[in-house]
Amino acid sequence: RKEVEQDPGPFNVPEGATVAFNCTYSNSASQSFFWYRQDCRKEPKLLMSVYSSGNEDGRFTAQLNRASQYISLLIRDSKLSDSATYLCVVNKGFGNEKLTFGTGTRLTIIP
Amino acid sequence: NAGVMQNPRHLVRRRGQEARLRCSPMKGHSHVYWYRQLPEEGLKFMVYLQKENIIDESGMPKERFSAEFPKEGPSILRIQQVVRGDSAAYFCASSSIQGRAPPQHFGDGTRLSIL
Repeated sequence: RKEVEQDPGPFNVPEGATVAFNCTYSNSASQSFFWYRQDCRKEPKLLMSVYSSGNEDGRFTAQLNRASQYISLLIRDSKLSDSATYLCVVNKGFGNEKLTFGTGTRLTIIP
Repeated sequence: NAGVMQNPRHLVRRRGQEARLRCSPMKGHSHVYWYRQLPEEGLKFMVYLQKENIIDESGMPKERFSAEFPKEGPSILRIQQVVRGDSAAYFCASSSIQGRAPPQHFGDGTRLSIL
């Protein structure tokens, strides 16, 4: 079983729609959780950290369920610029341990 | 540009040659991480270094690969006697001191092609 599992997609979604990604992780000792986005042939860029209470940043909402070892990302009112691969990332420490990446979910927003 | 700097952006080597990839962390960051991304795959951790110390090298292949982060200068990932399977994007990330530290920030990557 992979340490971090994501649906690879692709998700093809019309502009303005809401889209949700899910991710599960296997190490119950994991402490920090993130969503990164990666554009084609570019570096991963931090989208948002994920906190136990859930958190929101504009059109993006992240949720964490420690009991189920499950992380989600919701994108509302999707824009063409949201087209990218979304990476679920887990860290067993609080920032200074190795990051474990999912293989990513590819999202394409259709005009 | 105060971000993580990697060079070269693209590197072409023939089988058997050596590849040297460089990474300068963000200003104020003392922790460096190297990751490898094979085509159509996710990023895989290779090694975590602080100045003059290797903290975690659990992701490094046992042979041909080495990394350093000297007191002065950038971190270097060195691959000796490269093979076709070494073709990948190599990303460096950095973070600040331990504690409730912010997440890792990535450089643009070095794309290594082996002929």
